[in-house]
Amino acid sequence: GAVVSQHPSRVICKSGTSVKIECRSLDFQATTMFWYRQFPKQSLMLMATSNEGSKATYEQGVEKDKFLINHASLTLSTLTVTSAHPEDSSFYICSARDFGRAGSYNEQFFGPGTRLTVL
Amino acid sequence: GQQLNQSPQSMFIQEGEDVSMNCTSSSIFNTWLWYKQDPGEGPVLLIALYKAGELTSNGRLTAQFGITRKDSFLNISASIPSDVGIYFCAGQNQAGTALIFGKGTTLSVSS
Repeated sequence: GAVVSQHPSRVICKSGTSVKIECRSLDFQATTMFWYRQFPKQSLMLMATSNEGSKATYEQGVEKDKFLINHASLTLSTLTVTSAHPEDSSFYICSARDFGRAGSYNEQFFGPGTRLTVL
Repeated sequence: GQQLNQSPQSMFIQEGEDVSMNCTSSSIFNTWLWYKQDPGEGPVLLIALYKAGELTSNGRLTAQFGITRKDSFLNISASIPSDVGIYFCAGQNQAGTALIFGKGTTLSVSS
């Protein structure tokens, strides 16, 4: 159980286009999902916290109008990179929090990531 | 904001050797976690630590939550080639909140 999928796994697009990345919790409900970005040979940096049915909370320095997040259901959050530029090329990873899982903290499960390349 | 210092940045070891890596923080965390990431994939949880002083094992892996709550270490015993990858520590302030990641330790194992 506790599987998180991302689609697509990799995408190549032209500069100026928009790209949508989906994050799905396959066997649990996730009221909260997190979006991270990872540049080559670097760590995961939190971009935003996505809460089902409400607006996402963005980290300082992350443009909310450029990285649109929609968490319309308990199993799906989407990240849309609008007017993508080469500097947006990165590995985007989501994680989902399993609210119903027993334990001393709500474990987060990571998706396999989406490699975005903007030409 | 909080930052995690993870060391060493990289390690090159022989198969069968033991490995140790650690993370320190400028402030307190309530939970420490250790993840492994293979190239082109998302991180996979190895060990989660919830209490200061806690020592937890998962097979050949052992991790400890520092008494001060500002540090943690991960040991891998008798390394094997499939241990190759990037290991990240992560701290969490409150249950359910986002994780703060260390910069990673890249492990290479030669057979």
